[in-house]
Amino acid sequence: GAVVSQHPSRVICKSGTSVKIECRSLDFQATTMFWYRQFPKKSLMLMATSNEGSKATYEQGVEKDKFLINHASLTLSTLTVTSAHPEDSSFYICSARDAQQSNEKLFFGSGTQLSVL
Amino acid sequence: GEDVEQSLFLSVREGDSSVINCTYTDSSSTYLYWYKQEPGAGLQLLTYIFSNMDMKQDQRLTVLLNKKDKHLSLRIADTQTGDSAIYFCAWPSGQTGANNLFFGTGTRLTVIP
Repeated sequence: GAVVSQHPSRVICKSGTSVKIECRSLDFQATTMFWYRQFPKKSLMLMATSNEGSKATYEQGVEKDKFLINHASLTLSTLTVTSAHPEDSSFYICSARDAQQSNEKLFFGSGTQLSVL
Repeated sequence: GEDVEQSLFLSVREGDSSVINCTYTDSSSTYLYWYKQEPGAGLQLLTYIFSNMDMKQDQRLTVLLNKKDKHLSLRIADTQTGDSAIYFCAWPSGQTGANNLFFGTGTRLTVIP
């Protein structure tokens, strides 16, 4: 099946630094990718929809200047957490939909555990 | 918004069957999904069912859909310790071609050896 690679799997950073997370579709083209955030023992919360070649669409309450999304190609989307603070510590997961498929199946990355000290 | 409810915890003995339930309020979607999340990992698509089906069987997995009651269930036969994980039902956010999914709250399945 389709594979989505997410990197890094774990990152620890100091407060005030920026962290970039990459999401790649390895064997399919994804015009749309999604970024989710998961708090401990909670479900996934959609943060934003990343569209290739255009600006991302952010969900209500998600700061677009805080969480920068770039979708420069059909196989790569990046999420940059700028000036990270301890409250940004969370598990971030990306997903992608195969542009060649007509259904709504999403394929997920393995997630990134962000810890901000 | 969409509401998708699941029971939070389920414990079963190895070899028994597990049944994970999901109740939703929206009914306009064409697919419904079950995802599995192992500790510290991303989501793995387990199976999905078309909204015009009542049942789908895939090896040890059986998905039942009751559209009248808006109830979805996932049955795992002969549950193994490797099945211990969090299971999410998920529902597309509207019409066919919609972009994102709404997720249930997740059910943590613990398999006791």
